[in-house]
Amino acid sequence: KAGVTQTPRYLIKTRGQQVTLSCSPISGHRSVSWYQQTPGQGLQFLFEYFSETQRNKGNFPGRFSGRQFSNSRSEMNVSTLELGDSALYLCASSSFDRQGDSNYGYTFGSGTRLTVV
Amino acid sequence: GQNIDQPTEMTATEGAIVQINCTYQTSGFNGLFWYQQHAGEAPTFLSYNVLDGLEEKGRFSSFLSRSKGYSYLLLKELQMKDSASYLCAVRDQFYGQNFVFGPGTRLSVLP
Repeated sequence: KAGVTQTPRYLIKTRGQQVTLSCSPISGHRSVSWYQQTPGQGLQFLFEYFSETQRNKGNFPGRFSGRQFSNSRSEMNVSTLELGDSALYLCASSSFDRQGDSNYGYTFGSGTRLTVV
Repeated sequence: GQNIDQPTEMTATEGAIVQINCTYQTSGFNGLFWYQQHAGEAPTFLSYNVLDGLEEKGRFSSFLSRSKGYSYLLLKELQMKDSASYLCAVRDQFYGQNFVFGPGTRLSVLP
């Protein structure tokens, strides 16, 4: 079956701009989570969407937002980009229907590498 | 708060055994996971522990001690393809089923 698809793979933006990243989950998965990965901070949880609703949220400023569509595809948006937003943005999809209901980790996409100049 | 610590880098020889340690502090522990990530690729799931003890899965084993906030990943019969970053991740109830990740351990396997 197809994996988690993230587009685009690479993106270069200028400071102050905004950006939208897309994530298509594995078919049948209704939960999509987003992470930011940087060399200094590692992988950090941004937020999770389930059934078009934000279900959990990490400790990121309001410039980071997301949404989920009825087909479970998700987008994340970063407004007023800063140099420090340069990172690999990973999404992961899972089939958990209730929080904490499974013994298994979820499936990550290959990520979108965002460079802010 | 949450804190996860693991060594930054390790080096081992092909065919050898290596143990990657992870210590954690979290208020809502709900499982410890290990992921492998090759450069430029997605993290892939390796193992999962929620109860104390050893879980074995082929060449990979993972151990958990909840009272000590400690886990390790054991890799046997190392192969060159095992050169990658190994990420220790705790599922924290504060974030639902999502994870707090450690900084990752970059393992280099030498011939």
